[in-house]
Order: sequence, then structure tokens, then C-alpha cells
Amino acid sequence: GENVEQHPSTLSVQEGDSAVIKCTYSDSASNYFPWYKQELGKGPQLIIDIRSNVGEKKDQRIAVTLNKTAKHFSLHITETQPEDSAVYFCAAVTGGFKTIFGAGTRLFVKA
Amino acid sequence: KAGVTQTPRYLIKTRGQQVTLSCSPISGHRSVSWYQQTPGQGLQFLFEYFSETQRNKGNFPGRFSGRQFSNSRSEMNVSTLELGDSALYLCASSRSNPGQGAEAFFGQGTRLTVV
Repeated sequence: GENVEQHPSTLSVQEGDSAVIKCTYSDSASNYFPWYKQELGKGPQLIIDIRSNVGEKKDQRIAVTLNKTAKHFSLHITETQPEDSAVYFCAAVTGGFKTIFGAGTRLFVKA
Repeated sequence: KAGVTQTPRYLIKTRGQQVTLSCSPISGHRSVSWYQQTPGQGLQFLFEYFSETQRNKGNFPGRFSGRQFSNSRSEMNVSTLELGDSALYLCASSRSNPGQGAEAFFGQGTRLTVV
């Protein structure tokens, strides 16, 4: 079946450093790739997304890259801050309405 | 505007019972998706509804069912509860298809504990 692999499961960085989270998807029909941030006690919140016809997208300190050939996409957070500490999920959406999530990455930003 | 509202926030049920969870989407949103979140399995897709029709379903047993009403509010039902059904159940709404760039907004979830 479809799956999304996400690495690493835990990431610890120093404040100001960059963080990179990588995901690989299996369903070549996936055409939309959102990234979510989940803080304790809250539902996931969309932070950035990319569609299959775009290779890269940036929003301030956050960027996402997509390699359709390799079925690989990554989240890059620059100049990390303590408030970036959370669990991050990648996802692959197929057919517009079936979303498969990665297992999540717990990011710790040390002040 | 109001976000996605899930009720109740917390629920404790006994094995064998059934439970109904409710999700009120953001006004104007017609797509509602349900997910199960557990520490071991992460976020797993249950099903998605659009205009009262189930368009896609994840790999869950038939004990898990759902429906959507004409006002886009949705309910999910779990019958014959098992201990392994203990999880955070999340609902997300969007205007149409997330794949078309319609952002999905999540509620805070219903935490179900089966004892």
C-alpha cells in the first residue's frame, strides 16, 4: 500500500542552526505535499505545502523541495528558534482527498 | 472565523461499547477528513467526506464508520470498542480538495480512552 517514510524521528539543533527533515513517498500518483507542525495538545497546523509541478517553495525561514523522480521531498528550517520545537509531519496526498502522513519528526531547538 | 470544532475533547469508554465523535468544519468547508493518531502508528487516514459522500477510505475495519450531514458537519462512529482504539481522533476540513491547494485545517481532536 501507499506509505510515506520520514527521517529523522528525532532532531536536536542549536538555536540559529538549520534543520532538515526528509520524506520519501511510494505512490507516484501523489500530487500534493503538505507539511504540518503539531504542538502539544493541539491539532497539526499546515506550515508549508508544495504541488507536484513545483520543485521548490520558500516562506520566510521555511522551505520545501520536491524531487518527483526520486519521490523525495524535504523541509528546511533556517535560523531555528526555540518556538520551532514541535513535531513535524510530512504528508503525500493522492487523488485530492487521501492523505498519507509520515511518522513525524520531533524537533528540539536548544537555546 | 471559528476553527474546526471537535466534541467531546475527552472520552472514556469501556471495551465493547460504541462511541460517536463529532466534527464541525469551518464555515464554507465541504470536505471533512478523519484521522487516528497514536504514538505507535502516527497519523492514519480513516476516511474523507465531501458533500455527504465518502470519497475515500483508509485501511480500518468496518467497526469504524462515518457520515456527513447536509451542513457539512461530520460524525464518526466506532462500534465494539477495543483497547487498541485508544487514540487521539483528529478531524480536518478544507474547502474542496487538499490536492488542489485547499488548505486542510485540523481540530484539536477527541482523545478516546478505552478501558
